[in-house]
Amino acid sequence: ETGVTQTPRHLVMGMTNKKSLKCEQHLGHNAMYWYKQSAKKPLELMFVYSLEERVENNSVPSRFSPECPNSSHLFLHLHTLQPEDSALYLCASSQGGQRQETQYFGPGTRLLVL
Amino acid sequence: AQSVTQPDIHITVSEGASLELRCNYSYGATPYLFWYVQSPGQGLQLLLKYFSGDTLVQGIKGFEAEFKRSQSSFNLRKPSVHWSDAAEYFCAVGAYNQGGKLIFGQGTELSVKP
Repeated sequence: ETGVTQTPRHLVMGMTNKKSLKCEQHLGHNAMYWYKQSAKKPLELMFVYSLEERVENNSVPSRFSPECPNSSHLFLHLHTLQPEDSALYLCASSQGGQRQETQYFGPGTRLLVL
Repeated sequence: AQSVTQPDIHITVSEGASLELRCNYSYGATPYLFWYVQSPGQGLQLLLKYFSGDTLVQGIKGFEAEFKRSQSSFNLRKPSVHWSDAAEYFCAVGAYNQGGKLIFGQGTELSVKP
């Protein structure tokens, strides 16, 4: 499926680097999400944007900074990360940000912090 | 607090055998329930969902799930497993009064023996 795309698919970065993850949805949706998937843990919701406004910030450290310039694009800016931030970062989108909606996921960015 | 529990971390079944993956939820109102599947290196794909109505829901790839309010369960079933079903399966509930937030279980990894 190409409804939600994420780049890059893999990223290795040092703790002093700055990088950005990109997500793009081609489904005409109005809500977008960032999730963190760590080994042996449930998916953790990080951020929710609805109509480009942030509506959820799940106590995420400030070294993660989201940006939603329009309803089709979502970024996650990373700086001074820690090794425990290594994980799969998944982007998703849904029609309007309501709990009964189906969320469509991208393939994820596998991040390794050295 | 709202939560989702998948009691089985890993299940192995023989190809052609039946499958049941368990999911229990804790929720104070009518839940919106989802099952997603994740193949290695991929994002999550929706298998099926329950919002209301018939408690037995049909999904893609021959999967079905039954909502049992009295048992707070939403177990996933398939009558005959194929080798391509090997993947990780996630149960999720739409959080109440929290927009599009999904609460995920820890996941069940399915292996299929030839």
